[in-house]
Amino acid sequence: QSVLTQPPSASGTPGQRVTISCSGSSSNIESNTVNWYQQLPGTAPKLLIYSNNQRPSGVPARFSDSKSGTSASLAISGLQSEDEADYYCAAWDDSLNGLVFGGGTKLTVL
Amino acid sequence: QVQLLESGPGLVKPSETLSLTCTVSPYSISSAYYWAWIRQPPGRGLEWIGSSYHSGSTYYNPTLKSRVTMSVDTSKNQFSLKLSSVTAADTAVYYCARVKSTTTYSFDIWGQGTMVTVSS
Repeated sequence: QSVLTQPPSASGTPGQRVTISCSGSSSNIESNTVNWYQQLPGTAPKLLIYSNNQRPSGVPARFSDSKSGTSASLAISGLQSEDEADYYCAAWDDSLNGLVFGGGTKLTVL
Repeated sequence: QVQLLESGPGLVKPSETLSLTCTVSPYSISSAYYWAWIRQPPGRGLEWIGSSYHSGSTYYNPTLKSRVTMSVDTSKNQFSLKLSSVTAADTAVYYCARVKSTTTYSFDIWGQGTMVTVSS
């Protein structure tokens, strides 16, 4: 049981906009920044979004995030086949004094 | 371009200690970054194990804290993980990563990962 809750799966068609939710609590998402990672099949995770919608160099602007209270969301617009991957949210938890991940969401591009 | 490479035994017996090393190149491990270990059991999600700094400062996942030791060797530009009393539940791909910032606590550079199986 992960501290941060994500839907196990999501799907969309090419060109569509999809969102992936991440639900937490006052000690993690509400208090700290949320980071998002993309893990393509058989590869290491890659930092996708950090620190309030900042994207590392090379990450397209199609990826964005938002946060409200104890929940956060990753949005992918103009969905492409290469976006098919697992997506994880993560945040520092002040109560646990540790970094917590969501359980991950498998995105399928139909 | 900073690269991280994990190394260590791929098979560990139950009750023994898992030991892994992460070599950082060509960047100095003594820079102002924390260095982390994260694991992923087969078919499952990510779990943060802990983070260490070259000064010796460490943060561990509370659920693993009693079994984890992390350290940094500046002379070899490496950092390491030791996990004691392992069981089959510790079977996972183990990743090392750089902590981009202790404010955001994001992991911006990852190693390729190394699979460790706990079995007799």
